[in-house]
Amino acid sequence: GNSVTQMEGPVTLSEEAFLTINCTYTATGYPSLFWYVQYPGEGLQLLLKATKADDKGSNKGFEATYRKETTSFHLEKGSVQVSDSAVYFCALNQAGTALIFGKGTTLSVSS
Amino acid sequence: NAGVMQNPRHLVRRRGQEARLRCSPMKGHSHVYWYRQLPEEGLKFMVYLQKENIIDESGMPKERFSAEFPKEGPSILRIQQVVRGDSAAYFCASSLGNGQLNTEAFFGQGTRLTVV
Repeated sequence: GNSVTQMEGPVTLSEEAFLTINCTYTATGYPSLFWYVQYPGEGLQLLLKATKADDKGSNKGFEATYRKETTSFHLEKGSVQVSDSAVYFCALNQAGTALIFGKGTTLSVSS
Repeated sequence: NAGVMQNPRHLVRRRGQEARLRCSPMKGHSHVYWYRQLPEEGLKFMVYLQKENIIDESGMPKERFSAEFPKEGPSILRIQQVVRGDSAAYFCASSLGNGQLNTEAFFGQGTRLTVV
């Protein structure tokens, strides 16, 4: 079945550091890929998405590129801020199915 | 346009009681999903519903749990005879559809269930 694997956390960085959170997936066909972010005590918010191979999703300085050859969708940001501290979830879905999530990666950014 | 509304935000139940969690999807959304979140375990899919239909309930425990999404009114996740292990955050999400567009889901703020 479909699944998502993302790197274990927590990830601890200083402000302005470069961020990478790895995400790989297993799926039949061509899923859509998503990154969601969850701030403390809140629900999940869509951060970015990509619906086909080589698409790049971007938002708020975050980027991720849909790599079919490596079945990956790694999240990157060039310069993190304290306000980026949250839990980040990689997810996929295909037509007719619900979103499947990775276990989440906690990011903690200190000033 | 209000987002996905879940209530209550916090719910405390004694062991053996029933818990009812409500979810009103975004306006125009006809697909609803329920997820459970436990610390350190991420989000686990429970059930996917359209109006008056259960599409996929493969993630829902066979006993004590049920879900519905009636023609009118919110979606309800019902947990009967709750046990301490049911304590978790339950999130509802909705989407326009789930066909070729692979539309994203929008999440509510969750209901945090505590069983004492």
